[in-house]
Parts: sequence; C-alpha cells; structure tokens
Amino acid sequence: SYELTQPPSVSVSPGQTARITCSGDALPKKYAYWYQQKSGQAPVLVIYEDNKRPSGIPERFSGSSSGTMATLTISGAQVEDEGDYYCYSTDSSGNRRVFGGGAKLTVL
Amino acid sequence: QVQLVESGGGVVQPGRSLRLSCAASGFTFTNYGMHWVRQAPGKGLEWVAVIWHDGSNKYYADSVKGRFTISRDNSKNTLYLQMNSLRAEDTAIYYCARESLVEVAGTSLDYWGQGTLVTVSS
Repeated sequence: SYELTQPPSVSVSPGQTARITCSGDALPKKYAYWYQQKSGQAPVLVIYEDNKRPSGIPERFSGSSSGTMATLTISGAQVEDEGDYYCYSTDSSGNRRVFGGGAKLTVL
Repeated sequence: QVQLVESGGGVVQPGRSLRLSCAASGFTFTNYGMHWVRQAPGKGLEWVAVIWHDGSNKYYADSVKGRFTISRDNSKNTLYLQMNSLRAEDTAIYYCARESLVEVAGTSLDYWGQGTLVTVSS
C-alpha cells in the first residue's frame, strides 16, 4: 500500500525556520495537504494543494512540492506552533487517501 | 456553522461489531464527500474510508477492507461506519471529516468532528 514518509521530529528555536518534509512516489502528480494537531484536539488544515493557505492560517506557514517531496515551512516559528504535523495525499489512483506518519515539532 | 458529531464508540470484545454515527449540520450534506479517520492512542492519523456525496463510490484502507463498511443517509444528514470482526489494533479515536469542495480547498478534509473512542478489549 502507498506510504508517505515524514521525519518523526523537528526541533527549532523560536524565530527560526522549521521545515518538515514528506516524501511519496505519487507526489509528482498528486497534491499534498498539511495538518496541524495539538494534544487532545482534532487536526486543523494549514496548507492545501501543495502551497495554498486557508483563511485564518498565519502567513508564516507555507508549502512547496518538488518531485517526490513536499515541504511545509514555518518561517519564524513560535512556541504556539508546537504540535504534530501530518502530510496527506492520495495514491496514484486518486481514490485511497493516506497520511504521513507525522512529525512532532518542538519550538524551544 | 459546520458541525460534525460522532457517536457510538465504546468498549467491545474482539470479533464483535460496532456501528459509529456522525451527525452533520450547518451545511448541505448531500453536496460533500465524507471520510472516517482514526488515531490509535499515542499514534498518528490513519485514513480509514471515504464515501462520495451521493454514496455511489466507497474506498477503504487495506487495514479495514472487508471488515468495515462506510455508508450515509442523506435524508438524515448522517454518516456511518459499520465495523465488524473488530481487533485490538482497531482501538482508536474515530473522527468523521468533511471533504472540501474542490474549488474551495481541493480535496482536503476541511472540517472534523471531535471523535469517538473505540476500545477493543476482552
């Protein structure tokens, strides 16, 4: 079955740039989406279709995709950005969906 | 405002069945595809199943295919997940989620419920 691979953890100091990657064989042809999940809460969409930001999401969140890798970038990360980040996409058929394993972002 | 409220979770023995429900409100339910996503305790998100807006197509994760059935009743604005032959590894919080309209936010899951906990244990 199709898989998306993320690093398990990313750590930055406040104000630094955090980059979280997501690799998958179908990403050259399928969009990546990114979710933030804080402890005990439902996930929140922060990036859709590789690089678009939903309303209400701070401008410091951005996304990009090249080849088999998508990247979520948080420019000037803040303590409140701590949490788990998941990429999400579809397999080559476009029917089955998949989440990456998640990356825990620590800002301290 | 959009609301998704899951129910039906609980403790169930291995091999038994359980049906989850997700009551939707605040939007035109018949226009949207709907998903189930689960999260085992301390683990990551796992996509479970999707059903198209009209129920015409359904797709499942390999881990649940043949055991779980997703369905919907558009007259009741309700999504269901029938779970049979439950295993310990099915223990998780189960979320229902709405798929966005493509022209709004692609095929993202734009609204989520708060989840219902299913525990499979003897």
